[in-house]
Amino acid sequence: QVLLVQSGAEVKKPAASVKVSCKASEATLTDYYIHWVRQAPGQGLEWMGWINPNTDDTNYAQKFQGRVTMSRDTSISTAYMELSRLTSDDTAVYFCALSGAVAGFFQYFHHWGQGTLVIVSS
Amino acid sequence: DIQMTQSPSSLSASVGDRVTITCRASQSIRTYLNWYQQKPGKAPKFLIYAASILQSGVPSRFSGSGSGTDFTLTISSLQPEDFATYYCQQSYNSPTFGQGTKVEIK
Repeated sequence: QVLLVQSGAEVKKPAASVKVSCKASEATLTDYYIHWVRQAPGQGLEWMGWINPNTDDTNYAQKFQGRVTMSRDTSISTAYMELSRLTSDDTAVYFCALSGAVAGFFQYFHHWGQGTLVIVSS
Repeated sequence: DIQMTQSPSSLSASVGDRVTITCRASQSIRTYLNWYQQKPGKAPKFLIYAASILQSGVPSRFSGSGSGTDFTLTISSLQPEDFATYYCQQSYNSPTFGQGTKVEIK
């Protein structure tokens, strides 16, 4: 059973950056694509992008291009999501999630991290 | 981006009720449609993929149907643990989610 453990809550000032980690246990990250999904308070789910930990290929949602960087360290089964130039609109819970594909029948998020709350406030 | 629209946004139901949630895509997505359940303060839980295939361990009272642009999630007999928010998600291309349907206790 794959378990994803994310880093703890963060409080950041506007214009700062945040880097959230997602560590997989009982599995290697290279078996899956790693996605990041966020959820603003009281709102729905918003997909941010994915990374292929085998090739280091990434695909970011257009909304976040230029501001988000997804990376991984396969030696410690950990993925990272860094978001820069934060504004109050980035206040949200950020989830990592795994899928077996990036489109089609097997592009579903079968395992999720517990979420990391990022608060952006001056 | 493909827009996903769920209806209703919320509903009130009683234990034992049959509940149906609708999800509509802005273009045909064939059967590339997934469903999730989310409880407050928790990560979403994956329920159904390919519009109608239940993930292992998901109770059989959950079912999904549809193709093209119109999809439904049905709970045949609502149980206390089913009160939650449900999201559809298309996997035809870059993932997008519906806005969610909150199922509340009547």
